[in-house]
Amino acid sequence: KNQVEQSPQSLIILEGKNCTLQCNYTVSPFSNLRWYKQDTGRGPVSLTIMTFSENTKSNGRYTATLDADTKQSSLHITASQLSDSASYICVVSDRGSTLGRLYFGRGTQLTVWP
Amino acid sequence: EADIYQTPRYLVIGTGKKITLECSQTMGHDKMYWYQQDPGMELHLIHYSYGVNSTEKGDLSSESTVSRIRTEHFPLTLESARPSHTSQYLCASSERAPRGESTDTQYFGPGTRLTVL
Repeated sequence: KNQVEQSPQSLIILEGKNCTLQCNYTVSPFSNLRWYKQDTGRGPVSLTIMTFSENTKSNGRYTATLDADTKQSSLHITASQLSDSASYICVVSDRGSTLGRLYFGRGTQLTVWP
Repeated sequence: EADIYQTPRYLVIGTGKKITLECSQTMGHDKMYWYQQDPGMELHLIHYSYGVNSTEKGDLSSESTVSRIRTEHFPLTLESARPSHTSQYLCASSERAPRGESTDTQYFGPGTRLTVL
């Protein structure tokens, strides 16, 4: 069964600190992995996308890594800001259909305190 | 910021009412999607469309229906709302992936939070 598991479920850090969010998946055949940021009451916004051949991708203070062999990904946030408070969702796409089916994790709820 | 809009943003209605959730995008995307998301849970695809006059059911069974008469609009309708329909509904759209890429990036609207009493 294709699944995406994220940890931790929630995380509280102080402003200026770094943090790392984890994503494990069993989706096969694998196409790509995205990290989305979803602010409360808003739709998700794409942060990074990585294909099988890529093992790291950065977007400002966000750095995503991918280990396609172990089927794990992480999202590292550097020097956190209050505006980073949001849910971070790992999304994996398969190659098994024309639609490119997306499998969503439940997200990690990050709260940044001043 | 993606040019995809949803109205209303919040809706509280009584059981048995007919409702339509609006979704429109100005990016000219062919593909559009409806997702349902409960608090703390993952998004579930309930409907999608490849283009005008194309609609398909998603992974999660839903009593809602959709239509795609125009490229930019993808409304979702519930003929008779029930408390079990209480959820957040997210609309998304995507363009065809560039050559060599297998899937396209989906752009999400802000969502409609529906509460059925």
